Amino acid sequence: SQQGEEDPQALSIQEGENATMNCSYKTSINNLQWYRQNSGRGLVHLILIRSNEREKHSGRLRVTLDTSKKSSSLLITASRAADTASYFCATALIGTNAGKSTFGDGTTLTVKP
Amino acid sequence: DAGVIQSPRHEVTEMGQEVTLRCKPISGHNSLFWYRQTMMRGLELLIYFNNNVPIDDSGMPEDRFSAKMPNASFSTLKIQPSEPRDSAVYFCASRAGGQPQHFGDGTRLSIL
Repeated sequence: SQQGEEDPQALSIQEGENATMNCSYKTSINNLQWYRQNSGRGLVHLILIRSNEREKHSGRLRVTLDTSKKSSSLLITASRAADTASYFCATALIGTNAGKSTFGDGTTLTVKP
Repeated sequence: DAGVIQSPRHEVTEMGQEVTLRCKPISGHNSLFWYRQTMMRGLELLIYFNNNVPIDDSGMPEDRFSAKMPNASFSTLKIQPSEPRDSAVYFCASRAGGQPQHFGDGTRLSIL
């Protein structure tokens, strides 16, 4: 099964609300990354959090990492219709050659205007 | 920065035909990744290269799939012979050192 698993699979909210997505993984990691994928496009990197970090911010994005629970969350505040996309977490495992990352199945976020 | 460039964007072909997907990574990036994305299996890593050398091809489905990286600015993924179950979106991504991956916009492959 996938190393990273996102929850929920799908999320629908109104513009202006906050969106929270979660990612769980199974083994120890070097870092965890969040990506966004718009329909018909490739994945775009959003934020990377290292295993020794607990929280990171980038604009309206806030990522937390709890290595004891092997989980991470992505919070998008004051959501906009343009945030509609699929969001993936990816984990870089300890000891993996050249930083290979394993992706989860993603959360599909719909923000209604 | 032109980003990762993949060609073609769309490919429709009949089963049994050879398919070649192409990727030009971002200049200066030393790692290149090929992924396949389907609704059923999500995003799967097929193979990745470091400094043009294949490091891990454990995700390549079977011998019908092959990938090459003859130089730092070009890679191909070939399927021969193609089968309907190979239909998917194939992504190429590149990265520099420990930085995040940059993805191309993919090749949407349909095998009839």
